[in-house]
Amino acid sequence: QKEVEQDPGPLSVPEGAIVSLNCTYSNSAFQYFMWYRQYSRKGPELLMYTYSSGNKEDGRFTAQVDKSSKYISLFIRDSQPSDSATYLCAMTYTGRRALTFGSGTRLQVQP
Amino acid sequence: KAGVTQTPRYLIKTRGQQVTLSCSPISGHRSVSWYQQTPGQGLQFLFEYFSETQRNKGNFPGRFSGRQFSNSRSEMNVSTLELGDSALYLCASSLPSGRQDEQYFGPGTRLTVT
Repeated sequence: QKEVEQDPGPLSVPEGAIVSLNCTYSNSAFQYFMWYRQYSRKGPELLMYTYSSGNKEDGRFTAQVDKSSKYISLFIRDSQPSDSATYLCAMTYTGRRALTFGSGTRLQVQP
Repeated sequence: KAGVTQTPRYLIKTRGQQVTLSCSPISGHRSVSWYQQTPGQGLQFLFEYFSETQRNKGNFPGRFSGRQFSNSRSEMNVSTLELGDSALYLCASSLPSGRQDEQYFGPGTRLTVT
């Protein structure tokens, strides 16, 4: 079983929809949680970075962490065709430089 | 501020050859990590360098090695290439400060082994 599980999709939504992306994890030591966006043939771009449990909002993006359930989410409001990409969750803990990634969810926003 | 740069962007090599990839971190960043991305295994951590020293290493064979220079630029080397080494190799840089720092990725080097 992988440490981090993520539904690969693809997830197809109409423009303007609210998108929910999720990851579950098994290692309770994880403290830092990230969401990256990766366009085809590009490197991952850091979208959100959160520490421990709670919510964090940045523009149209909201990241949620529920450590008790070992579950993290990324919400995208008013989705745009330019949001079409693969979204990767990643996590780590203090002192561990390596990030553990989910497999990524491919999102398609239809105009 | 310029981002992480990686050279070359694309590379085609033959089995048995060796290859060297280069990464220049964001100015002021001193930690450089390398990852391998493949369709089957996703993103996997190779190693991390800080102040010219390898601090962490992932579960890859010894054919994969790296180094970091005094200006924080880093190189990774893969010897005796195998077909399975075909992948996108990503470099990420971070400060680091006292806590776990955000890692910023470069565009990657796409290596094809034939």
